[in-house]
Amino acid sequence: DGGITQSPKYLFRKEGQNVTLSCEQNLNHDAMYWYRQDPGQGLRLIYYSQIVNDFQKGDIAEGYSVSREKKESFPLTVTSAQKNPTAFYLCASKNTNTEAFFGQGTRLTVV
Amino acid sequence: GNSVTQMEGPVTLSEEAFLTINCTYTATGYPSLFWYVQYPGEGLQLLLKATKADDKGSNKGFEATYRKETTSFHLEKGSVQVSDSAVYFCALYSGAGSYQLTFGKGTKLSVIP
Repeated sequence: DGGITQSPKYLFRKEGQNVTLSCEQNLNHDAMYWYRQDPGQGLRLIYYSQIVNDFQKGDIAEGYSVSREKKESFPLTVTSAQKNPTAFYLCASKNTNTEAFFGQGTRLTVV
Repeated sequence: GNSVTQMEGPVTLSEEAFLTINCTYTATGYPSLFWYVQYPGEGLQLLLKATKADDKGSNKGFEATYRKETTSFHLEKGSVQVSDSAVYFCALYSGAGSYQLTFGKGTKLSVIP
């Protein structure tokens, strides 16, 4: 079945560590997105990518980095520069004239 | 820029009550409009969509009509169930050379027996 997969579902980070969240899609979508969701809050765009080897900052890119080396994959690294990384992270993908498809999310907690 | 405004929550209804969640938008061109639903601890799922003016999207008893004259896309359901308890997001995609999606802040719905 086609879809978008995020892993892991739960992730724990120690202070000062970088962690990488995985997002893979087999929908042949051109565009991929990363959103952050805090409790009781809406979605905030971190980064998005329209094509391989290209990506743009969203509203809250500071402390995050991404890469898009393959069409299917769009990993997000939460760096130690992100001071408040505890949140629910959602990945999505889309083509022109289709709706966005979302993964099941990764819950990141700083311990 | 594009924006989506949806009614503040939370909304609490009794089972079998009528539901309306208001959504208005600002966008250039002719956007596509969407309603997504998020159950606790999960990602967003598409509930319904409309791609041009006067289109009505419908799914699982929910409906929304794309009203260009009032720039609205209100979500309605005639009789809610406890299983409809979730957070609902209105969203738009305007294309126009950008792949940016724009979401409302979400409305939490709780349905009580």
